Amino acid sequence: QSVLTQPPSVSAAPGQRVTISCSGSRSNVGNQDVSWYQQLPGTAPKLLIYDNNKRPLGIPDRFSGSKSGTSATLGITGLQTGDEGDYYCVTWDGSLSDGVFGGGTKLTVL
Amino acid sequence: QLQLQESGPGLMKTSETLSLTCTVSGGSITNRFHYWAWIRQPPGKGLEWIGSIYYTGSTYYSLSLKSRVTMSVDTSQNHFSLKLNSVTAADTAVYYCARRGSSSFFFDYWGQGTLVTVSS
Repeated sequence: QSVLTQPPSVSAAPGQRVTISCSGSRSNVGNQDVSWYQQLPGTAPKLLIYDNNKRPLGIPDRFSGSKSGTSATLGITGLQTGDEGDYYCVTWDGSLSDGVFGGGTKLTVL
Repeated sequence: QLQLQESGPGLMKTSETLSLTCTVSGGSITNRFHYWAWIRQPPGKGLEWIGSIYYTGSTYYSLSLKSRVTMSVDTSQNHFSLKLNSVTAADTAVYYCARRGSSSFFFDYWGQGTLVTVSS
């Protein structure tokens, strides 16, 4: 059981937009910065978003992040078949003094 | 370009101590802005943070693994290491090393990962 809750799966057609939610509590998402990772099949995770809404160099602006209260959201526009994979949210939990991951969301581009 | 590479045995027996090393190239492990981390992923499952270490040797570990984990750093070799004792089949996973970002709890560079299988 993950501390952060993500939908197990989402799907959309190529070119469409999809959002992935990450729900937590005041001790984690509510008071800490959230990051998002993309894990394509058979590869290591890759940082997409950090500090809630910042993109590392090289990450296209099709990927965006936002946070409101105890929920964070990853948005992906202009979906491509190459975006298919698993997506994870991560943050720190100040009450647990522990790093926490979401359970992951499998993105299917139909 | 910073690169991280995990190394260690791929197959272990129950109750043994897992030992992995992460060699950092293209940058110094003594960079004062970053911690270094271990993260694992059981086959077909999600990611789990194991712990992080600073170049001075300061550590912090996941609550669930704290009693079995030791991390260390060797600045002369530009690498850091993980030891996990009393392993069981539940410790079978791909183990990743990563660099923790400077501003908050995120991981901006990752190794390719190494699969460790624990068998009786």
